[in-house]
Amino acid sequence: KQEVTQIPAALSVPEGENLVLNCSFTDSAIYNLQWFRQDPGKGLTSLLLIQSSQREQTSGRLNASLDKSSGRSTLYIAASQPGDSATYLCAVRYGMRFGAGTRLTVKP
Amino acid sequence: NAGVMQNPRHLVRRRGQEARLRCSPMKGHSHVYWYRQLPEEGLKFMVYLQKENIIDESGMPKERFSAEFPKEGPSILRIQQVVRGDSAAYFCASSRTGAEEKLFFGSGTQLSVL
Repeated sequence: KQEVTQIPAALSVPEGENLVLNCSFTDSAIYNLQWFRQDPGKGLTSLLLIQSSQREQTSGRLNASLDKSSGRSTLYIAASQPGDSATYLCAVRYGMRFGAGTRLTVKP
Repeated sequence: NAGVMQNPRHLVRRRGQEARLRCSPMKGHSHVYWYRQLPEEGLKFMVYLQKENIIDESGMPKERFSAEFPKEGPSILRIQQVVRGDSAAYFCASSRTGAEEKLFFGSGTQLSVL
């Protein structure tokens, strides 16, 4: 059974810092991994999708990497802004299991 | 092109009543997933459906919960005889095909059981 873990559970940083969010999974037989953002009381917004054959994906200030053999993914956020404050969730497919998320607060 | 549409946005039920949550996937999407989220917790997978078929219901409670995705119309998550512990946000997601495709989420239905 696939288990997905995200650390840290919460993170607070000053504006402008670069930061890394971690996601680990127990079963490396995945199709892909997807990072989402969730704002309070809202649905999920897809940030990046990495197929199992890929090593990383980039979108603007976001970079996500995938190491399937070790069961790890990282989401790198460059030059963080207060608008980045949200909960970040990673999810792995097959079946789409989610981690509990990292609650990020970026202080102005 | 509208995204994934869920309704109602908020649903209030008394204990013992039935709750019906609807999800219309994005146009062209034939795969639907339902998730439940409790306060301060992550999303818990419930069920994965394709048109007229349940593909994976391993996350669905064995009693009182059922889901369908008919050939025509939205996907329905049905909860019979609701209890207070059913209070949660229920999210629906869809994808065009199966596991290789990106998931798109609706805004969720907040179920409150009094």
